[in-house]
Amino acid sequence: KQEVTQIPAALSVPEGENLVLNCSFTDSAIYNLQWFRQDPGKGLTSLLLIQSSQREQTSGRLNASLDKSSGRSTLYIAASQPGDSATYLCAVKKETSGSRLTFGEGTQLTVNP
Amino acid sequence: ETGVTQTPRHLVMGMTNKKSLKCEQHLGHNAMYWYKQSAKKPLELMFVYNFKEQTENNSVPSRFSPECPNSSHLFLHLHTLQPEDSALYLCASSQEALASGRALNEQFFGPGTRLTVL
Repeated sequence: KQEVTQIPAALSVPEGENLVLNCSFTDSAIYNLQWFRQDPGKGLTSLLLIQSSQREQTSGRLNASLDKSSGRSTLYIAASQPGDSATYLCAVKKETSGSRLTFGEGTQLTVNP
Repeated sequence: ETGVTQTPRHLVMGMTNKKSLKCEQHLGHNAMYWYKQSAKKPLELMFVYNFKEQTENNSVPSRFSPECPNSSHLFLHLHTLQPEDSALYLCASSQEALASGRALNEQFFGPGTRLTVL
């Protein structure tokens, strides 16, 4: 059974700092990995999707990397801003699981002005 | 309307009530999903519909009944719920068929329905 773990569970940083969020998964036979952002009481916003054949994806100040063989992904946020404060979720789609995504519990990020 | 919409945004119901949650996607996708998000727990997949056919039921109790009349609409019918069913219910959609030049399988979520069962 695929398990997804995100470390740390919570992170508080001053504005302007570069930071890294970690995601690990137990079964490396994945189809893709997706990073989401969730604001309190709201739905999920897709940030980046990395296919299993890719090593990284970039969007603005965000960069996500994937090391499929070691079962790890990182989300790098450059020059953090208070508006980046949210919960960040990692989810993997297994090769043989059809449409199913398995989610981690998320990292709650607070960026202090 | 764009993206994925859900109504109502908030719902309070008693254990004997019957209510329905509605989801609509405006993205031309062919797969739709219901997820449950409870406090301090990862998102749990409930149901998956591909091309209007249910392809996954993640051992969900029968008091939750999904309906997918077409590829753009998804309902979750609720009856005789329990207080522990109180949660944020999220709908999502994705394009699961091959389509050249498009990002595949990326799931897009609606804002959710906050359900409270008294």
